[in-house]
Amino acid sequence: NAGVTQTPKFRVLKTGQSMTLLCAQDMNHEYMYWYRQDPGMGLRLIHYSVGEGTTAKGEVPDGYNVSRLKKQNFLLGLESAAPSQTSVYFCASSLSGTGRTGNTIYFGEGSWLTVV
Amino acid sequence: GNSVTQMEGPVTLSEEAFLTINCTYTATGYPSLFWYVQYPGEGLQLLLKATKADDKGSNKGFEATYRKETTSFHLEKGSVQVSDSAVYFCALRGLSGGYQKVTFGTGTKLQVIP
Repeated sequence: NAGVTQTPKFRVLKTGQSMTLLCAQDMNHEYMYWYRQDPGMGLRLIHYSVGEGTTAKGEVPDGYNVSRLKKQNFLLGLESAAPSQTSVYFCASSLSGTGRTGNTIYFGEGSWLTVV
Repeated sequence: GNSVTQMEGPVTLSEEAFLTINCTYTATGYPSLFWYVQYPGEGLQLLLKATKADDKGSNKGFEATYRKETTSFHLEKGSVQVSDSAVYFCALRGLSGGYQKVTFGTGTKLQVIP
């Protein structure tokens, strides 16, 4: 009953270091998303993917890269971490759908990242 | 583009009080509407949803009705409990840039005191 799994859950980075957050889902979902959550700003979409091998920019893509080499995995990379990237990161997934389909978004438990 | 506006918090209520958290939206077409709840230190969980106008979503005593004429999806509960203390996010899922995307409100923190 895994659903959406994110690793790592906690990480402290020094400015300029790089790291990758891994998201895995076992529900055969087409769509996957990376959000960041900051106080008073809700969730903001960083990047998303509508299927294996595809990625697209969200609202706040700068400083991040993503890859979707396998349908079940969606990786978020920080090439050169900055203190402004201190945040809680959430991965999510959903079935594809159009029109009135109300497919549920399933979230991981979050990854707390601090850049010092 | 699509947007969601929800009332600012925090909202502090006594146990057994009536709860309303307002949510209005802007979207083209026929979006689906959701309320998510986030308990401290956890990820977001779906609380309820509605997929078309006049639908009522309900779960755990919470209700919200999809009102297309007022573009609203207000969350209500008749009698809150301390365990309802959490952050509540209104969201919509609709077409944007040719794809289905989810847009979240900024969240409303609810604190219920005994």
